[in-house]
Amino acid sequence: QQPVQSPQAVILREGEDAVINCSSSKALYSVHWYRQKHGEAPVFLMILLKGGEQKGHDKISASFNEKKQQSSLYLTASQLSYSGTYFCGTPQDRPGAGSYQLTFGKGTKLSVIP
Amino acid sequence: DGGITQSPKYLFRKEGQNVTLSCEQNLNHDAMYWYRQDPGQGLRLIYYSQIVNDFQKGDIAEGYSVSREKKESFPLTVTSAQKNPTAFYLCASSSTAGSYNEQFFGPGTRLTVL
Repeated sequence: QQPVQSPQAVILREGEDAVINCSSSKALYSVHWYRQKHGEAPVFLMILLKGGEQKGHDKISASFNEKKQQSSLYLTASQLSYSGTYFCGTPQDRPGAGSYQLTFGKGTKLSVIP
Repeated sequence: DGGITQSPKYLFRKEGQNVTLSCEQNLNHDAMYWYRQDPGQGLRLIYYSQIVNDFQKGDIAEGYSVSREKKESFPLTVTSAQKNPTAFYLCASSSTAGSYNEQFFGPGTRLTVL
């Protein structure tokens, strides 16, 4: 089951804040966040492993609400370099494989303009 | 420098032809993955391998095949059975399989069927 991201796209001016949400219909054990710039490979931002955990990476932080089965990514005082598509990934059980692999959301396209 | 390489960067294929995409990593990672990316669809898992000589189907394995004869190599073959192969293909690896490890992505191969 693919996690649902919202919004699909957002445009910000430099210095503005944004929140990207990722929700799942199944119980979450961890959430990954990645950013992909146009034509490039996705780059890892952070993993949240516990319900209620919050992490920060420069001015990008995230929270994980296990009970609500959702995670949010917070971008504060956005910079031009924050532009790109943000993906969340959540673990999905693969029958017969004996392990959980990530299923990614469709992404949120963030555009930061001067 | 450690990392993941994919070749070629761009690939053109005629309908009915099989084509193999290369993926090599020198990170000493056990797990490797292939994803397909289409506009607005996010990353979809094609195949993954948790260890040498073992691999599992992902969500969209039909029309694709893989091998894992060496730890550092995980080539993907797009067969003529794949009805709509034009897409951006990303290879990734992680230290071990499972959803608790960061995935490192290669630069991708853009496949176009003429």
